[in-house]
Amino acid sequence: RKEVEQDPGPFNVPEGATVAFNCTYSNSASQSFFWYRQDCRKEPKLLMSVYSSGNEDGRFTAQLNRASQYISLLIRDSKLSDSATYLCVVYTGGFKTIFGAGTRLFVKA
Amino acid sequence: DAGVTQSPTHLIKTRGQQVTLRCSPKSGHDTVSWYQQALGQGPQFIFQYYEEEERQRGNFPDRFSGHQFPNYSSELNVNALLLGDSALYLCASSFRGESYNEQFFGPGTRLTVL
Repeated sequence: RKEVEQDPGPFNVPEGATVAFNCTYSNSASQSFFWYRQDCRKEPKLLMSVYSSGNEDGRFTAQLNRASQYISLLIRDSKLSDSATYLCVVYTGGFKTIFGAGTRLFVKA
Repeated sequence: DAGVTQSPTHLIKTRGQQVTLRCSPKSGHDTVSWYQQALGQGPQFIFQYYEEEERQRGNFPDRFSGHQFPNYSSELNVNALLLGDSALYLCASSFRGESYNEQFFGPGTRLTVL
């Protein structure tokens, strides 16, 4: 079993749609959680950290369920510019960061 | 303020050769992590350097080694290259490598092994 698993995608949605990505992790001792965004042939960039209480940044909402070892990202009112690969990232402690394989999102006009 | 820089941007090598990739961290950062990203996959953690020492290592063979210099810049060395080493190699810097600190990535070095 992979340490971090994501929906394989791709997700094809129209502009204005709401889309949700899921991610599960296997190490119950994991400490910190993030969503990164990676555009085609570019480097990953931090989208948002994920907190136990859930957090929101504009159209983006992240949730963490430690009991189920599950992380989610919700994007509301999708824009063409949201088209990218979204990477679930888990910090397992011991200074090791694990990335999921990523979920590809295509937003079409 | 320069972000993370990496060199070279592209590299072509043949099997069995050795390669050295370089990374300069973002100003104010003291920790460098290296990742390998194969096509269609997420970045895989190779190792992290802090205070000029390897602090943590992922599941990579000893052919992968590194170094950090007093100015916090870093090198990744790969010996005896295999076809499977073809990938994008990403360097990320952060402050003290703490879990809550954002990692900033460089643009990567694309290595092709023929």
